[in-house]
Amino acid sequence: DAKTTQPNSMESNEEEPVHLPCNHSTISGTDYIHWYRQLPSQGPEYVIHGLTSNVNNRMASLAIAEDRKSSTLILHRATLRDAAVYYCILRGYNTDKLIFGTGTRLQVFP
Amino acid sequence: DTAVSQTPKYLVTQMGNDKSIKCEQNLGHDTMYWYKQDSKKFLKIMFSYNNKELIINETVPNRFSPKSPDKAHLNLHINSLELGDSAVYFCASSQFRGTSTDTQYFGPGTRLTVL
Repeated sequence: DAKTTQPNSMESNEEEPVHLPCNHSTISGTDYIHWYRQLPSQGPEYVIHGLTSNVNNRMASLAIAEDRKSSTLILHRATLRDAAVYYCILRGYNTDKLIFGTGTRLQVFP
Repeated sequence: DTAVSQTPKYLVTQMGNDKSIKCEQNLGHDTMYWYKQDSKKFLKIMFSYNNKELIINETVPNRFSPKSPDKAHLNLHINSLELGDSAVYFCASSQFRGTSTDTQYFGPGTRLTVL
């Protein structure tokens, strides 16, 4: 399974944009890039996923590098509720399981 | 209306005991999972079931036995509990199996403490 690398922690102020990077240099052509987050004392929740093109949804945007060796999760305006651990996960072709790394702990300050 | 629910939320027990954690999903999904999050917050898949059939067993000790009475329920039974079993256990579900794009929905977790 291809590996991802994320910074251990990042900080942001409320209402500022946040860019959470993820490196996945060994990604294969059929791997999807998924992002989940885990709020304190809760189970993980889905944020967004993509394959090659940039993606937007109501929670975030996902920017994928042209060579697909890195991606960035963008929170357009951070809120205190966005403080969580964010996991970047590569999901192989027809794979059920999610392989979680150590993630990035995002702190948001008022 | 909780999509994926687990009971109990907290479980404190002695070494050597046998305990069960229950999971139910009301999403109509076909696939359910158990994940374990250890004290270092590392999340790892243990099992997955699709329509009551075991699909994934990630080299979990035999003391752990998942049971799926129907596709809406996946319970986890643990025999002869050990200190190292202390962790938070998360149940999850997804609509399909074997897809790269399906979203997994997680329950709130069960914190198991073995004394």
